[in-house]
Amino acid sequence: NAGVTQTPKFRILKIGQSMTLQCTQDMNHNYMYWYRQDPGMGLKLIYYSVGAGITDKGEVPNGYNVSRSTTEDFPLRLELAAPSQTSVYFCASSGVGNHEKLFFGSGTQLSVL
Amino acid sequence: GDSVTQMEGPVTLSEEAFLTINCTYTATGYPSLFWYVQYPGEGLQLLLKATKADDKGSNKGFEATYRKETTSFHLEKGSVQVSDSAVYFCALSPGGGGNKLTFGTGTQLKVEL
Repeated sequence: NAGVTQTPKFRILKIGQSMTLQCTQDMNHNYMYWYRQDPGMGLKLIYYSVGAGITDKGEVPNGYNVSRSTTEDFPLRLELAAPSQTSVYFCASSGVGNHEKLFFGSGTQLSVL
Repeated sequence: GDSVTQMEGPVTLSEEAFLTINCTYTATGYPSLFWYVQYPGEGLQLLLKATKADDKGSNKGFEATYRKETTSFHLEKGSVQVSDSAVYFCALSPGGGGNKLTFGTGTQLKVEL
């Protein structure tokens, strides 16, 4: 019953460092998403993918990159980390025919100091 | 653009009290509406949904009715339990089958004995 798995759960970065947040799902879902959750701001969509090899920008893509080489994996790359990227990051996936039912991972809490 | 507005929290109730969490939306067309719930330390999960006006979504004793005339989708439960303590997110999906959800800011519910 793995569902959507995110790693790491917590990370502290220094300004200017880079890192990759990993996300994998075992439900054979076509759609995958990255959201960030800031206090009092709800969830904002960073990037999404409708299938392997296809990605597109969401509402707040600046400072991030993604790739989707397989159906299962959707890593999020932070280059030159900034304090404004301190947030909780959620990966999610959904299937064709019920794409509005998102399955979320348990999140990555990232602090940039 | 599309937006969702929820009542601010935290909402603190005694066990067996009646719960209402207000949600209103702004959207073009005919969106689908959702309530997601986030239990402590977990990712969000779908609680209920409604896809057209006057539809009532229900699950686990929670209900919400899609009111197009008031652009609202208020969450209700007749008798809350301590185990209902969580953060509740209202969300919408645009009409026409779009797969990008817009989330509200979330409302934290605390239920005490």
